[in-house]
Amino acid sequence: AQTVTQSQPEMSVQEAETVTLSCTYDTSESNYYLFWYKQPPSRQMILVIRQEAYKQQNATENRFSVNFQKAAKSFSLKISDSQLGDTAMYFCAFMKHVNNDMRFGAGTRLTVKP
Amino acid sequence: DSGVTQTPKHLITATGQRVTLRCSPRSGDLSVYWYQQSLDQGLQFLIQYYNGEERAKGNILERFSAQQFPDLHSELNLSSLELGDSALYFCASSELAGSYEQFFGPGTRLTVL
Repeated sequence: AQTVTQSQPEMSVQEAETVTLSCTYDTSESNYYLFWYKQPPSRQMILVIRQEAYKQQNATENRFSVNFQKAAKSFSLKISDSQLGDTAMYFCAFMKHVNNDMRFGAGTRLTVKP
Repeated sequence: DSGVTQTPKHLITATGQRVTLRCSPRSGDLSVYWYQQSLDQGLQFLIQYYNGEERAKGNILERFSAQQFPDLHSELNLSSLELGDSALYFCASSELAGSYEQFFGPGTRLTVL
């Protein structure tokens, strides 16, 4: 079974600073997909960024980037130039195949302070 | 707005009762997933339907069941409700193939008193 671990229950960062959220996972699969989802106070689940395991290049979406270390089974999220609107729960998720279910970590509550 | 709709937004009921949650996927999406988010269990996958057929099962209790109808909307039925079933229930949808992105609905907040 695949497990996803987020070891940081809570984090905070000053506005405009950079923060990194950690995620590790356990799988015997060689091809899979990893995601970071954001859940603001509205409770809506919003996809932040995704990474295909077969791609060596780290994914980037504007201020959000990942550090994907396949051998270490690590998938961290870096948020640059943090904004107040980034305050949310962040979930790391793993998907074994396309159109399969996702397994989520316990989440990291990020607070951006003015 | 993800294009996935869920009704109702909120539901308050009593222990022992039965409720039905409804989900309409994005136009063109054939796969529907149900997730439960609770304080003690976190976000966990319940069940997946693909074009009307059950495709994958997660940590879904026997008291819970789901189905996907010919028009592709899905319903999650929860029976003999217990206090611990209080949670946010999400539906998500995805395309047939080649897309690994799941689009989440706004969720249904279930409170069991």
